Amino acid sequence: SQTIHQWPATLVQPVGSPLSLECTVEGTSNPNLYWYRQAAGRGLQLLFYSVGIGQISSEVPQNLSASRPQDRQFILSSKKLLLSDSGFYLCAWSVQVFSSPLHFGNGTRLTVT
Amino acid sequence: GENVEQHPSTLSVQEGDSAVIKCTYSDSASNYFPWYKQELGKRPQLIIDIRSNVGEKKDQRIAVTLNKTAKHFSLHITETQPEDSAVYFCAASISGNTPLVFGKGTRLSVIA
Repeated sequence: SQTIHQWPATLVQPVGSPLSLECTVEGTSNPNLYWYRQAAGRGLQLLFYSVGIGQISSEVPQNLSASRPQDRQFILSSKKLLLSDSGFYLCAWSVQVFSSPLHFGNGTRLTVT
Repeated sequence: GENVEQHPSTLSVQEGDSAVIKCTYSDSASNYFPWYKQELGKRPQLIIDIRSNVGEKKDQRIAVTLNKTAKHFSLHITETQPEDSAVYFCAASISGNTPLVFGKGTRLSVIA
């Protein structure tokens, strides 16, 4: 069966520090991969998605970036965090069709201080 | 692009009563409509989904209905229980073209 791993679970970082969140998927090949952010008590904001290695689509311009160095690995990065980057970050995968279920990781709660 | 409106934003019901959450979408080409449940501090989890060639789908106490003409779909939870308390998100997708677009969520509280 397919599983998705996301780490770390929680992270506290000072303003201006770098960020790297990692997500890996097991049990499937060539998945679509996604990064979502959820501010406290708010909805799901799609940040990036990828349909293949090295292919990244950005939904919201900001100081975050994403990379997909391997088929089942998706990384979210920032060179300098802002206070507004605080939130709950969720990685997700789906099969290679957008009209299919999303499977979310357990999320990373990021607090920028 | 696709736009999904979800109502109400909050909903309180007595245990045992029914709860209904409604979503409307803008693009008539949308053909996949999932619903997710997110408990506090947890990840969203798919609870039920429906495709445009079906008008209704049921899974025990949960049902989803789709009205393609009116471009709206609804989640129905019957005999609500305290463990149904969570935030529910609807979503819509245009096949093969764009990722799911989510509604803003409904916070459901089931009062014992």
